[in-house]
Amino acid sequence: NAGVTQTPKFQVLKTGQSMTLQCAQDMNHEYMSWYRQDPGMGLRLIHYSVGAGITDQGEVPNGYNVSRSTTEDFPLRLLSAAPSQTSVYFCASSSGGYNEQFFGPGTRLTVL
Amino acid sequence: AQSVTQLGSHVSVSEGALVLLRCNYSSSVPPYLFWYVQYPNQGLQLLLKYTSAATLVKGINGFEAEFKKSETSFHLTKPSAHMSDAAEYFCAVSDRGYNDMRFGAGTRLTVKP
Repeated sequence: NAGVTQTPKFQVLKTGQSMTLQCAQDMNHEYMSWYRQDPGMGLRLIHYSVGAGITDQGEVPNGYNVSRSTTEDFPLRLLSAAPSQTSVYFCASSSGGYNEQFFGPGTRLTVL
Repeated sequence: AQSVTQLGSHVSVSEGALVLLRCNYSSSVPPYLFWYVQYPNQGLQLLLKYTSAATLVKGINGFEAEFKKSETSFHLTKPSAHMSDAAEYFCAVSDRGYNDMRFGAGTRLTVKP
């Protein structure tokens, strides 16, 4: 049982490049979320999904796209990276409601 | 919208001393409150959560938190700090579930031998 996995662990991009951050969970959770963590700001919700085929915006969605074709996977896409997107990105999953969220180990992204 | 303020970005205690990490929230409805811990280079792990069942909530690793509505606070405590408690701690509030959770800026706890 791997829990929530994220790849890559580290990534450096140039401004304007695109990339996809991968997230997968093996707990059959319906709820999945993407957060970004910036110094002094805690975690902020980017996008979330309440099940396959259903996604919605969080607090800071601009510049990011998501899709949820399966229960297990929830990739986050940056179409045209900007330096303001330099951050640590966390994926999380839960069985819903106020049940515990399980977090992945994070992806540290630097945009030059 | 709900929000969380964590007082003190850094807290340092001696091993065996009381740990007190402060969290104040604002919410227009009865909130759900959470404390998470983040060890270096890891994701967040839930310590405890308040869901209106009891005002004193016990979590993992000997931590507990008390919900005080009159003070809009949810401070985290542990009677005796251990070296392994050194980490960053986040308080979070939610009105409607995980899709509207708001995190505080975090408090880094250092434990001195």
